[in-house]
Amino acid sequence: KAGVTQTPRYLIKTRGQQVTLSCSPISGHRSVSWYQQTPGQGLQFLFEYFSETQRNKGNFPGRFSGRQFSNSRSEMNVSTLELGDSALYLCASSPRQAHSGSGGYEQYFGPGTRLTVT
Amino acid sequence: AQSVAQPEDQVNVAEGNPLTVKCTYSVSGNPYLFWYVQYPNRGLQFLLKYITGDNLVKGSYGFEAEFNKSQTSFHLKKPSALVSDSALYFCAVRDVDSNYQLIWGAGTKLIIKP
Repeated sequence: KAGVTQTPRYLIKTRGQQVTLSCSPISGHRSVSWYQQTPGQGLQFLFEYFSETQRNKGNFPGRFSGRQFSNSRSEMNVSTLELGDSALYLCASSPRQAHSGSGGYEQYFGPGTRLTVT
Repeated sequence: AQSVAQPEDQVNVAEGNPLTVKCTYSVSGNPYLFWYVQYPNRGLQFLLKYITGDNLVKGSYGFEAEFNKSQTSFHLKKPSALVSDSALYFCAVRDVDSNYQLIWGAGTKLIIKP
């Protein structure tokens, strides 16, 4: 099976612009999560989508948004970019089921998109 | 509130020696515990997990972890370190009170010296 893919791998944007990042999960995985990774803050959860519905959301401003398509592919968008948005954005997919009462599933990560805001 | 602590920012070990990367957690319910590894400029890779049962869990690349409920710890171990084990290691926990969202530790940089 192909792994999680993220595009683009690297991106340079200017303050005030907006950006869209894309993630294709492992085939059959319906859950996609997004994380921001920075040296200072570590890994921070952005949101999780399952079957086109946002199920969980982290503590990020409304400038950060996402969506999931019927084929489970996901995009995240950041509007009005700030210098502090420079980070590695990681996407992860999992085989989590809709009504699973178990949290024992692992996530599979893509290589990330390195966003630099100047 | 749920939390994960990795008390060491960096661990240095000589090649061939045993290694331990520490993790303690705080959750209100039964924990689901995970270890991931991140190599430079790469995403995270799953190493191992504890769900229930045997307290000693074996994972990829010869790593294992021991779940200790009384000490709320889940330390990562390997009997003999390799230079190629040098990477950033993350511990994470999930429980029902976090709506199954993963709570991450800050990460520990493991350096294996030849």
